[in-house]
Amino acid sequence: GAGVSQSPSNKVTEKGKDVELRCDPISGHTALYWYRQRLGQGLEFLIYFQGNSAPDKSGLPSDRFSAERTGESVSTLTIQRTQQEDSAVYLCASSLFQEGGYEQFFGPGTRLTVL
Amino acid sequence: ELKVEQNPLFLSMQEGKNYTIYCNYSTTSDRLYWYRQDPGKSLESLFVLLSNGAVKQEGRLMASLDTKARLSTLHITAAVHDLSATYFCAVVSGGTYKYIFGTGTRLKVLA
Repeated sequence: GAGVSQSPSNKVTEKGKDVELRCDPISGHTALYWYRQRLGQGLEFLIYFQGNSAPDKSGLPSDRFSAERTGESVSTLTIQRTQQEDSAVYLCASSLFQEGGYEQFFGPGTRLTVL
Repeated sequence: ELKVEQNPLFLSMQEGKNYTIYCNYSTTSDRLYWYRQDPGKSLESLFVLLSNGAVKQEGRLMASLDTKARLSTLHITAAVHDLSATYFCAVVSGGTYKYIFGTGTRLKVLA
């Protein structure tokens, strides 16, 4: 596709359930980023992939959060045993190179609501 | 740790007026980005500033970067209602891959 896509666009789940959020980056973009944005807040960096590797996972809020990327393409962010505090919009972005100052292109986000 | 601050956080202005949004960051960087976010939407890239003294303009918006002062400005000229949105700056610390975003400036242009 022409841009970054994310699915689902909205997810409502019950506390304690696991959820998977998907990101399809722009074809050829080697760098992929996940962010969390709480209502009315800025963007909180979660994790970054260069290719299929995640050099720094320190932004993940807890061990309930994990992410993977395969084929230098699709990435999945998994949240286990969801809590109400996990409710937010999860944004994915991709860029061509992480060293060259190239801009990030953002997907539309997944709005997660934990009841 | 790199910190990015924007001010003001909220800005309400009349159409036709000029104003400037400021983005300060705490450590050395020569890469700064400005994004726009409409309510309920994702982020749209506005400007990429890659060197000291860089200035870019698009329509009524102009962005500049002063790496020595660790400051970027987003200047709005003769504001129109369509510019109402939240504006974020983001900085990449030298030698890293992390984009650190500012708190955002929520701009409302009154007709």
